Amino acid sequence: AQKVTQAQTEISVVEKEDVTLDCVYETRDTTYYLFWYKQPPSGELVFLIRRNSFDEQNEISGRYSWNFQKSTSSFNFTITASQVVDSAVYFCALSEADRDDKIIFGKGTRLHILP
Amino acid sequence: KAGVTQTPRYLIKTRGQQVTLSCSPISGHRSVSWYQQTPGQGLQFLFEYFSETQRNKGNFPGRFSGRQFSNSRSEMNVSTLELGDSALYLCASSLVSGALKETQYFGPGTRLLVL
Repeated sequence: AQKVTQAQTEISVVEKEDVTLDCVYETRDTTYYLFWYKQPPSGELVFLIRRNSFDEQNEISGRYSWNFQKSTSSFNFTITASQVVDSAVYFCALSEADRDDKIIFGKGTRLHILP
Repeated sequence: KAGVTQTPRYLIKTRGQQVTLSCSPISGHRSVSWYQQTPGQGLQFLFEYFSETQRNKGNFPGRFSGRQFSNSRSEMNVSTLELGDSALYLCASSLVSGALKETQYFGPGTRLLVL
């Protein structure tokens, strides 16, 4: 069965600190996609990244970086030098190739960046 | 290019009533997906429409239905509203069908409160 676990319900860090959001997934498929979305207080989900199961290269985009490890079924997200504008709920999601492209979301991690 | 728009943004209904929510995808996008977000269940996939046909459906009762028009705009209908239907309903559009093929772009959502 497919499942996404974001064990951290809520995290608070002081501005400029680095923070890592954990995501662990379960799937029986060999072909799948992983996503991270950001949901600011306005409610709109903002796409951050999509990674397929065959690409384990870590990715960096500005202050954001993602660490994909199939061996531990994890797809963690790190924000470096956090800023107050990073405060939001972050969702990790999984979509399996054989499951009609449905996306399964984790419960989300609420991130507070304190000034 | 305009983003995904959803109307209305806020809605208050009473139990037993029905409601229709509207979603206009990004111009050129033909796939529209609907999600329900509640504090308890998180983000859950409702259904996806592509070229006026329902392509996928989540595990929701028949009270939840939708349709898509020839201009790709989509409506979602919930009949016989229950208190538990209070949620943020998010719409997402993509160029073609399925999360695997294209990035989904989300609208700001419609917040429904059932009294």
